[in-house]
Amino acid sequence: GAVVSQHPSRVICKSGTSVKIECRSLDFQATTMFWYRQFPKQSLMLMATSNEGSKATYEQGVEKDKFLINHASLTLSTLTVTSAHPEDSSFYICSSWEGSYNEQFFGPGTRLTVL
Amino acid sequence: GQNIDQPTEMTATEGAIVQINCTYQTSGFNGLFWYQQHAGEAPTFLSYNVLDGLEEKGRFSSFLSRSKGYSYLLLKELQMKDSASYLCAVISGGYNKLIFGAGTRLAVHP
Repeated sequence: GAVVSQHPSRVICKSGTSVKIECRSLDFQATTMFWYRQFPKQSLMLMATSNEGSKATYEQGVEKDKFLINHASLTLSTLTVTSAHPEDSSFYICSSWEGSYNEQFFGPGTRLTVL
Repeated sequence: GQNIDQPTEMTATEGAIVQINCTYQTSGFNGLFWYQQHAGEAPTFLSYNVLDGLEEKGRFSSFLSRSKGYSYLLLKELQMKDSASYLCAVISGGYNKLIFGAGTRLAVHP
């Protein structure tokens, strides 16, 4: 199946700093990628849809100025958590459709801990 | 609006059969997925239903009724490693967004 990678897998940062998470499609082109956030014992909550070459579409309640998304190429989308606070600590997962599989492929996730 | 309901927790015995139900009310529907997720890991694909009926894949089967907004995941011959969260997700709206239910935590006991 198709492969989606994320980097870093785990990050610990101080409150007030910004953190960038990369999501790459390794063997297919992804015009659209999705960013999810998952708090402990909760399900995945869609944050935004990242579109190559255009602005991301954010879900209701997600601050676009806090969670900056850039989809500069067909294989890379980045999520930057700006001025991170402890409440931003979560598991961030990206995903993308690979059309021939009728399946959405997920990255391995990034565990963010803000101290 | 979007609403996907699943039971929060279920328990079952090793070797038994368990059925996890999912009901949905979404503004659009382009298919329904079931995923398995172990703690701290990304979800892994189990099944995809877009037409009514039963899809069988080994020990796992998934059923869909679009008119009732209902699906279930059936797990047979349960093994201890099946202890995980099971996520029901509906494809809805533009860009084929995947909207997840809250997930069902399944605990399999000896």
